[in-house]
Amino acid sequence: DPKIIQKPKYLVAVTGSEKILICEQYLGHNAMYWYRQSAKKPLEFMFSYSYQKLMDNQTASSRFQPQSSKKNHLDLQITALKPDDSATYFCASSRPGLGGRYEQYFGPGTRLTVL
Amino acid sequence: GQQVQQSPASLVLQEGENAELQCNFSTSLNSMQWFYQRPEGSLVSLFYNPSGTKQSGRLTSTTVIKERRSSLHISSSQITDSGTYLCAMNTGGADRLTFGKGTQLIIQP
Repeated sequence: DPKIIQKPKYLVAVTGSEKILICEQYLGHNAMYWYRQSAKKPLEFMFSYSYQKLMDNQTASSRFQPQSSKKNHLDLQITALKPDDSATYFCASSRPGLGGRYEQYFGPGTRLTVL
Repeated sequence: GQQVQQSPASLVLQEGENAELQCNFSTSLNSMQWFYQRPEGSLVSLFYNPSGTKQSGRLTSTTVIKERRSSLHISSSQITDSGTYLCAMNTGGADRLTFGKGTQLIIQP
């Protein structure tokens, strides 16, 4: 059974619209993350949460808003979508702890295409 | 500049040959991970290896912290090993991982 679920697997949106990417983990972790992989770019960190609180934010745009309604959920709301937002978005989780003390596990990703 | 340098960018081998992938870091690191990215895009964690050598089957990871490098050795490569191998490091007090651009490995029959 998959331990980190991301929904949907594929998502097509029009410019200017709003979408929510879903992430649920069943590993019992309290730290969750979002990363993004655009075409021909390395995977890049976006946000980290620990015990449902924002710990680290590398995303300059306020159009990207993480939402943690439960401790094993970290959704990503993206507003005013642009074609440059097209990417695969990965959710990850780990035990909490600063300094990379614990291994991070990644979900299967949501591939977003903005037309 | 690029904090995580992976080499080679691509590697083509015959089935049965050994593969050596390198990862060099421009800053000191707390830990690092190796991932395999399947052709369809999903990520598989291969090793969490802050230091020293770890082995899993045909895969061996060696991280030398003071030299800021890590390697992934694949012995007796198989066609199913084809894909992209990513290394990522963690530095400082945060939990974020910084990824390299990856090595694309192609194993031919």
